[in-house]
Amino acid sequence: EVQLLESGGGLEQPGGSLRLSCAASGFTLSNYGMSWVRQAPGKGLEWVSNIYGSSSTYYADSVKGRFTISRDTSKNSLYLQMNSLRVEDTAVYYCAKHSGANCYSPVDYWGQGTLVTVSS
Amino acid sequence: DIVMTQSPDSLAVSLGERATINCKSSQSVLYNSNNKNYFAWYQQKPGQPPKLLIYWASTRESGVPERFSGSGSGTEFTLTISSLQAEDVAVYYCQQYYNMPSTFGPGTKVDIK
Repeated sequence: EVQLLESGGGLEQPGGSLRLSCAASGFTLSNYGMSWVRQAPGKGLEWVSNIYGSSSTYYADSVKGRFTISRDTSKNSLYLQMNSLRVEDTAVYYCAKHSGANCYSPVDYWGQGTLVTVSS
Repeated sequence: DIVMTQSPDSLAVSLGERATINCKSSQSVLYNSNNKNYFAWYQQKPGQPPKLLIYWASTRESGVPERFSGSGSGTEFTLTISSLQAEDVAVYYCQQYYNMPSTFGPGTKVDIK
């Protein structure tokens, strides 16, 4: 059974850093495209970043230069390092598995999400 | 970036009646070499993550009830719930995965009338 378990969210001040983790089970994470998708309170879905293949990565313009996506194949885990946090980064962050080897495929599994709150 | 728009913003339908949601993309998401639309529909209930309903515009995900169907090609797509059930109350999102960044529509809220 595929499972995605996010952790690392919490309250952080503007300008601070957080590292989100996503522990995957039931599949080999490096064989699939993986994304982070966020949802601000009461708002819609916003794609943040993805990684696939031999570590091809993409970022939304809103987080480029501040966030870094990575994965650890030995731990079958996905990460999102979030630096220079802004109030507008406040959201639930979902770890998402794509159905294919790259991210040009639908998301077939989602984690339950971890809440990041950026506030002074 | 490809912009996704949805209509209506919300709709209320009687139990057992048909619900129709539309989505338009600012450019075609049809990949001519394989004739596939890189397009999906998701359902999100309160307090839950999204759930994949339809992908490649018209392929129903395993386990999704047959009352959900997707149609369309190129830039215009439709999600139809043929006979609305109480458990279908949710927000529905369309998504294109043709280009990076992948983009979602703003969502359509479906309620019971």
